Amino acid sequence: QVQLQESGPGLVKPSETLSLTCTVSGSSISSGYYWVWIRQTPGKGLEWIGTVHHSGRTNFSPSLKSRVTVAADTAKNHFSLHLTSVTDADTAVYYCARCPGQLVFDFWGQGTLVTVSP
Amino acid sequence: DIQMTQSPSTLSASVGDRVTITCRASQSISSWLAWYQQKPGKAPKLLIYKASTLESGVPSRFSGSGSGTEFTLTISSLQPDDFATYYCQQYINYVAFGQGTKVEIK
Repeated sequence: QVQLQESGPGLVKPSETLSLTCTVSGSSISSGYYWVWIRQTPGKGLEWIGTVHHSGRTNFSPSLKSRVTVAADTAKNHFSLHLTSVTDADTAVYYCARCPGQLVFDFWGQGTLVTVSP
Repeated sequence: DIQMTQSPSTLSASVGDRVTITCRASQSISSWLAWYQQKPGKAPKLLIYKASTLESGVPSRFSGSGSGTEFTLTISSLQPDDFATYYCQQYINYVAFGQGTKVEIK
């Protein structure tokens, strides 16, 4: 059974960096899948952030590309998200997910709420 | 950017009803469309991809159709577990989701 679990601070100050980790079980990061970060807000709905492959290949939303880093750690079977210079608009529930090839997402984490506040 | 627009935003229905949700793309996306179901406090669940291919384990009462710019998700006979919010998503040009359609109890 494939499971993903997000972890990281639930509160980040404006202008700082949001950092999250997604730990994967039941599937290897080194397999042929891509691994994804998606966020959800009441106002903007679901928003794709970016995608990483264990080879290091990445793909990002154009609107967030300048602030996003996503990396895969095959030794720990997890992948990470770093979003710099956050504002209150970055307050959201952040999900990690698995991408089996095309940009659809077949297994998701439960999501973690990150609030940007002083 | 490709914009995805769903209608209606909210749909009231009863158990056993046939339900149809529409998703329109601002430009042609061929068949690069997926549908998800989301319940409160939970992550979205993939139902359909490539416009009409049912994800493994998804009940056959769910079906998808369409190509180009207009797509539909149909639930042939609504079950109690189906009351949720449904999202379409294009993946021909990066990723964009629709704003969601909430299916509520009539």
